[in-house]
Amino acid sequence: SQKIEQNSEALNIQEGKTATLTCNYTNYSPAYLQWYRQDPGRGPVFLLLIRENEKEKRKERLKVTFDTTLKQSLFHITASQPADSATYLCALDINGRGKLIFGQGTELSVKP
Amino acid sequence: EAQVTQNPRYLITVTGKKLTVTCSQNMNHEYMSWYRQDPGLGLRQIYYSMNVEVTDKGDVPEGYKVSRKEKRNFPLILESPSPNQTSLYFCASRVGQGAGKLFFGSGTQLSVL
Repeated sequence: SQKIEQNSEALNIQEGKTATLTCNYTNYSPAYLQWYRQDPGRGPVFLLLIRENEKEKRKERLKVTFDTTLKQSLFHITASQPADSATYLCALDINGRGKLIFGQGTELSVKP
Repeated sequence: EAQVTQNPRYLITVTGKKLTVTCSQNMNHEYMSWYRQDPGLGLRQIYYSMNVEVTDKGDVPEGYKVSRKEKRNFPLILESPSPNQTSLYFCASRVGQGAGKLFFGSGTQLSVL
């Protein structure tokens, strides 16, 4: 069956460290992948998009990689801060025309 | 300010009582969509619309209706709500078809008793 998996357990890290979140998928060949941030009780907010022909994308302290052979995307937050604490969702475009399938999300907690 | 506005924020109702959740966007986006979010299941698409008068089913459309009479509005209608429709609902919009980022509303927490 088609599946998207993100780290199911919450990720707890110390302030200043790099947080690495994983998004694995099976049976899809997405043209692109997106990452969103969601705070409790709020709607997701777009962070980054990476296309299938891009290996890596950066935006300030954020970095996303996309390995279509491994069927995996990694999302990194460097020099993490308590304000980065949130749930992070990955989303795949599964038909090349904008139909997004979302992972369940990984909850990140950054401790001072 | 560019935004997607949903109302109401919270709604408690009883089984069978028709309700409408409104969604409006001020960005002139062609594409709008409704999702529900449940613990352990993530965001699942209910219905989407590519443009005015064009709507289509998402992954979990049963028990829901939508309409797109104007570009900015995309209401979600539950004709006869049931307890299994208790969920957190999000409306989202983006520019057209393809690799665009989604803009989400703040959500509607619905409880059906």
